[in-house]
Amino acid sequence: QKEVEQNSGPLSVPEGAIASLNCTYSDRGSQSFFWYRQYSGKSPELIMFIYSNGDKEDGRFTAQLNKASQYVSLLIRDSQPSDSATYLCAVLRGGSEKLVFGKGTKLTVNP
Amino acid sequence: GAVVSQHPSWVICKSGTSVKIECRSLDFQATTMFWYRQFPKQSLMLMATSNEGSKATYEQGVEKDKFLINHASLTLSTLTVTSAHPEDSSFYICSATQPGNYEQYFGPGTRLTVT
Repeated sequence: QKEVEQNSGPLSVPEGAIASLNCTYSDRGSQSFFWYRQYSGKSPELIMFIYSNGDKEDGRFTAQLNKASQYVSLLIRDSQPSDSATYLCAVLRGGSEKLVFGKGTKLTVNP
Repeated sequence: GAVVSQHPSWVICKSGTSVKIECRSLDFQATTMFWYRQFPKQSLMLMATSNEGSKATYEQGVEKDKFLINHASLTLSTLTVTSAHPEDSSFYICSATQPGNYEQYFGPGTRLTVT
């Protein structure tokens, strides 16, 4: 089992819809979880992070964490064409400062 | 704040030559810097972790003699790809953390093409 798994997609949604991105992880000792957005040819940029079970909202983005199920998700409300990118889930290994990345989900928002 | 730069942004070199990539934290002192490699349509793979003044810690499978990392100061880390080969062509990205903070700030990346 891979340490961090994401559906590679592609995921296609119409403009204005909710995009839902999912991620599972294998290390139960993981404490911190990050969502990055990566445009083609660019480096990742942090969207948000979450430490505690439940939801965390930041503008149009909501991260959800369920440690019992080892599952973290990202919801993007009112999706815009500019949200079209690859979304990377990253997990901070327990007791470590190293991030482990999933392969990413490619999102396309159609005008 | 928390800006990380990389230089060069892209480089083309001939097989067998060495290439140095710089990573700088512009407005903070970085306790730790990380070097990643990303092949097309793949995720970021951590190559090594470096702390100022100490030897880098390489991930399994990464050749330390081929990928030389020098973290000479709290704001500068360099990655030298020695005797580069076409299979080393990739997108190299560095990141840095501030003291007491796990958030990694990423540089813009360096695209290396070895011909």
